[in-house]
Amino acid sequence: DQQVKQNSPSLSVQEGRISILNCDYTNSMFDYFLWYKKYPAEGPTFLISISSIKDKNEDGRFTVFLNKSAKHLSLHIVPSQPGDSAVYFCAAIYTEHYYGNQFYFGTGTSLTVIP
Amino acid sequence: DAGVTQSPTHLIKTRGQQVTLRCSPKSGHDTVSWYQQALGQGPQFIFQYYEEEERQRGNFPDRFSGHQFPNYSSELNVNALLLGDSALYLCASSLGRYAFFGQGTRLTVV
Repeated sequence: DQQVKQNSPSLSVQEGRISILNCDYTNSMFDYFLWYKKYPAEGPTFLISISSIKDKNEDGRFTVFLNKSAKHLSLHIVPSQPGDSAVYFCAAIYTEHYYGNQFYFGTGTSLTVIP
Repeated sequence: DAGVTQSPTHLIKTRGQQVTLRCSPKSGHDTVSWYQQALGQGPQFIFQYYEEEERQRGNFPDRFSGHQFPNYSSELNVNALLLGDSALYLCASSLGRYAFFGQGTRLTVV
């Protein structure tokens, strides 16, 4: 049962434009969400996160939006740069597992930023 | 800070064999989790170790076992390897909410 879903396996965007990556989840117990970025031959690296008590978190070019009623979150990258080309994973955890950090990952979206 | 390090980086095993993967956590991190990432999939939680005990386990059979040492490093053991065990195995260490991942071990079962 895939509790975190990323329905777009790939996305191509022109350099300088906005990239929007989407993620849906089914478990209403999730209360913390994270985005990880993965380059080939490397492990995932933390990008940005958001608590369920917020609806937006911004860090430089990266903004994550959370719509709890729709169980949907999105990652916006503005402006997109060629170095952003990577696989992006959405992940979720819930407080019962807080100390445990059991992440539930989506299947990933491969972003290609075209120069 | 060396971050999370995993060894080996690549491994080829024959069906039915046993394998041991190793992980050294980021300095100061006391919790280690293991994930399996099959091709085209997101990482799937295998189990987590804290204070040398398995604290949580995902939906993986008993063929998958682990260990954590007093220095917080960890091993993942897989017995009776199946072709379907071919995947990237990721180790993550954490201190709080944020997990830091190693580069992974690519296991190929032939």
